[in-house]
Amino acid sequence: DTAVSQTPKYLVTQMGNDKSIKCEQNLGHDTMYWYKQDSKKFLKIMFSYNNKELIINETVPNRFSPKSPDKAHLNLHINSLELGDSAVYFCASSQDMTGGRGYTFGSGTRLTVV
Amino acid sequence: KQEVTQIPAALSVPEGENLVLNCSFTDSAIYNLQWFRQDPGKGLTSLLLIQSSQREQTSGRLNASLDKSSGRSTLYIAASQPGDSATYLCANSGNTPLVFGKGTRLSVIA
Repeated sequence: DTAVSQTPKYLVTQMGNDKSIKCEQNLGHDTMYWYKQDSKKFLKIMFSYNNKELIINETVPNRFSPKSPDKAHLNLHINSLELGDSAVYFCASSQDMTGGRGYTFGSGTRLTVV
Repeated sequence: KQEVTQIPAALSVPEGENLVLNCSFTDSAIYNLQWFRQDPGKGLTSLLLIQSSQREQTSGRLNASLDKSSGRSTLYIAASQPGDSATYLCANSGNTPLVFGKGTRLSVIA
């Protein structure tokens, strides 16, 4: 019944590795997002997709590559992981790009790069 | 660029008190405003959504209001309980995806 689900919940990996985080929503929403919450707990938009198309890329390093195979899925692949990538990554969705009916968030993926 | 400010950054109150959390925006083009709660190590739980045509929303002991002309929102929590302890985040969706404030960390002491 989970509306927005992310996997894995925890991810510990070494510097230089490549990893992926998956996100799926069963709400029938058109728009999906990736947010990053840093060590100071500040949430910041990374990407947004609408119906599989990239809408926003907020000056995120190109080591981060989102992929949306369909509008219910938005995955995040990270190449050559760095220590500074350690954070909690949240996936979210909204009915459309206006967010007029609110946003629903996943429970987050805690990434630790060692 | 839209910025969201939340005051206070942290708040500690005894159980039973009524309290107000404040949120302000630099961009008056507020489309929709959403309040979230985040427990330590957990995800975001949506509390209240105020759509652009609305002025307030209520859910149980929570009431959120929105004043678009001044770019401010307040979250009122009545009769606070220890279970209300969490970080409260406001976010404005404007004409961009949600922009968050840094949150108010609330502790309700029994």
